[in-house]
Amino acid sequence: SAVISQKPSRDICQRGTSLTIQCQVDSQVTMMFWYRQQPGQSLTLIATANQGSEATYESGFVIDKFPISRPNLTFSTLTVSNMSPEDSSIYLCSVGSTSGAAYNEQFFGPGTRLTVL
Amino acid sequence: KNQVEQSPQSLIILEGKNCTLQCNYTVSPFSNLRWYKQDTGRGPVSLTIMTFSENTKSNGRYTATLDADTKQSSLHITASQLSDSASYICVVPSTNKLIFGTGTLLAVQP
Repeated sequence: SAVISQKPSRDICQRGTSLTIQCQVDSQVTMMFWYRQQPGQSLTLIATANQGSEATYESGFVIDKFPISRPNLTFSTLTVSNMSPEDSSIYLCSVGSTSGAAYNEQFFGPGTRLTVL
Repeated sequence: KNQVEQSPQSLIILEGKNCTLQCNYTVSPFSNLRWYKQDTGRGPVSLTIMTFSENTKSNGRYTATLDADTKQSSLHITASQLSDSASYICVVPSTNKLIFGTGTLLAVQP
């Protein structure tokens, strides 16, 4: 299994500002993902963070709002830009198995709880 | 449309009792089904992964069943403990991403 850490664990931000969330993995992984979990809801995939190229965004999510960096195989960042109260959620980093098919197993970070006032 | 539905939405049981959580899915093609446990304020942790050919799989006090014909799965928790209080999420991979159920929120009371 992979050990994933996220920073910050939680934050309270003002509307209109931006927050960058960091995800660090203890081993090199091919697949890294960013999810959002709104209050009382299940997880929604924001994007797949690709190493060395632009992230692949899901429908409803755009790069200008959620820019993602993936400088190497163990680290990624997600920025929530120009925040509004609707962005208040838990943001989770996830990595896929490095053996076999990409979706054989996924491991999740502890999440970043964001509150936007 | 690929969907994963779970029931009940929430459940309260007394410590030491058993309970069963349900998951119905319409994801096709089907390869495997996963149950995750998500403690409050934490990320989901995998409990079990079941492939098409598996009917039952246990992980300690957790036993998952799968009926690929009816597209149903269940997660049975035996002799519940206070630490079992969490959200339990059923997940089925689709062609290029995971389809998440909305989860069952379990509260185990002393």
